[in-house]
Amino acid sequence: SAVISQKPSRDICQRGTSLTIQCQVDSQVTMMFWYRQQPGQSLTLIATANQGSEATYESGFVIDKFPISRPNLTFSTLTVSNMSPEDSSIYLCTGGFYGYTFGSGTRLTVV
Amino acid sequence: SQQGEEDPQALSIQEGENATMNCSYKTSINNLQWYRQNSGRGLVHLILIRSNEREKHSGRLRVTLDTSKKSSSLLITASRAADTASYFCATDPEIQGAQKLVFGQGTRLTINP
Repeated sequence: SAVISQKPSRDICQRGTSLTIQCQVDSQVTMMFWYRQQPGQSLTLIATANQGSEATYESGFVIDKFPISRPNLTFSTLTVSNMSPEDSSIYLCTGGFYGYTFGSGTRLTVV
Repeated sequence: SQQGEEDPQALSIQEGENATMNCSYKTSINNLQWYRQNSGRGLVHLILIRSNEREKHSGRLRVTLDTSKKSSSLLITASRAADTASYFCATDPEIQGAQKLVFGQGTRLTINP
């Protein structure tokens, strides 16, 4: 199974700023997925990122708020834009056909 | 909206006892997976069961799948303090062109020494 590296592992950010989270896979994968886990909640899919095409966003998530890049088959970034305290969550990426290997997550706190 | 519903939401048992968690889902699936998460950290993949399988074992874990009832269960036998974590089921819906995991709400398991 793929190994996922994610960074930063945690950050504390001021409201109104943006944070870019990086996700690196140790093998080429067609699809990568970004999830959000709000405090005490389950995981919610933000978007699916295919290399060479625009990301597909789930209901409730928009590109202006969560722009995603997928420059190659082993890397993706998620930006959380114009942050507010409601964006405080753990953000996780995963990749692969079944997407069952997750990075350790980015714990974001917005103050 | 979440695909899966899990129960119980929280479970507290004594070390050595067995723990059973249940997951129900709404649509046809390709497979169902169980994950563990310790204290809000990353997810650890436990087991995957395909839609044409009924039961699967991995060490102290036993997973069953009943596609007619759209439900699955995770049994942890001879529980240990280290099993304390949140457990999530995740389904891979059988939707053409969609390859994504939809997570249940999770069960918070506490093993008391």
